Amino acid sequence: GAGVSQTPSNKVTEKGKYVELRCDPISGHTALYWYRQSLGQGPEFLIYFQGTGAADDSGLPNDRFFAVRPEGSVSTLKIQRTERGDSAVYLCASSLSYGNYEQYFGPGTRLTVT
Amino acid sequence: GIQVEQSPPDLILQEGANSTLRCNFSDSVNNLQWFHQNPWGQLINLFYIPSGTKQNGRLSATTVATERYSLLYISSSQTTDSGVYFCAVGNNQGGKLIFGQGTELSVKP
Repeated sequence: GAGVSQTPSNKVTEKGKYVELRCDPISGHTALYWYRQSLGQGPEFLIYFQGTGAADDSGLPNDRFFAVRPEGSVSTLKIQRTERGDSAVYLCASSLSYGNYEQYFGPGTRLTVT
Repeated sequence: GIQVEQSPPDLILQEGANSTLRCNFSDSVNNLQWFHQNPWGQLINLFYIPSGTKQNGRLSATTVATERYSLLYISSSQTTDSGVYFCAVGNNQGGKLIFGQGTELSVKP
């Protein structure tokens, strides 16, 4: 079956602009996670959803970052007033349910802020 | 929070050689996954192994949860095994995974 998909694959934006990154999880997976990976580092947790609600947003770096999952499937990560330090690969993962279930990752969106 | 350390940070092998990658973690876990990140950045699931031993072809993994470490074994390495190997753990603080810094493997022909 289809895996986790993310769009766009690449996004270049100017400092100060607003961006939206989309994640489409594996069908039937109720838990969805966002991570961010900087060059040479392991992915770092941002936020996760169980269903429509954000169960843990402790990894969001500041209030310029926000994510939604209005219908419990597709999720959008929104970044306002982008800064050059936001440049990274944003990864999305999904799992069957919340907790100790195997997570499957999408291909990521490479965000470059100029 | 929980700390994850992977060793070695870099590894260069000749094709056909065997290797062992290690992952140490600082607290009890109830989720542990090994991933291979290919040159295009895709994280490929290798093992979901919070405890015990699993094998899949040339790869196998063992997690000793009571001693807080996991090992990934690669036998008869191939050039396509090159890339970064990540260990990631989760505990009772929800479903998030905490990743190590990775081991960058290069297999030479």
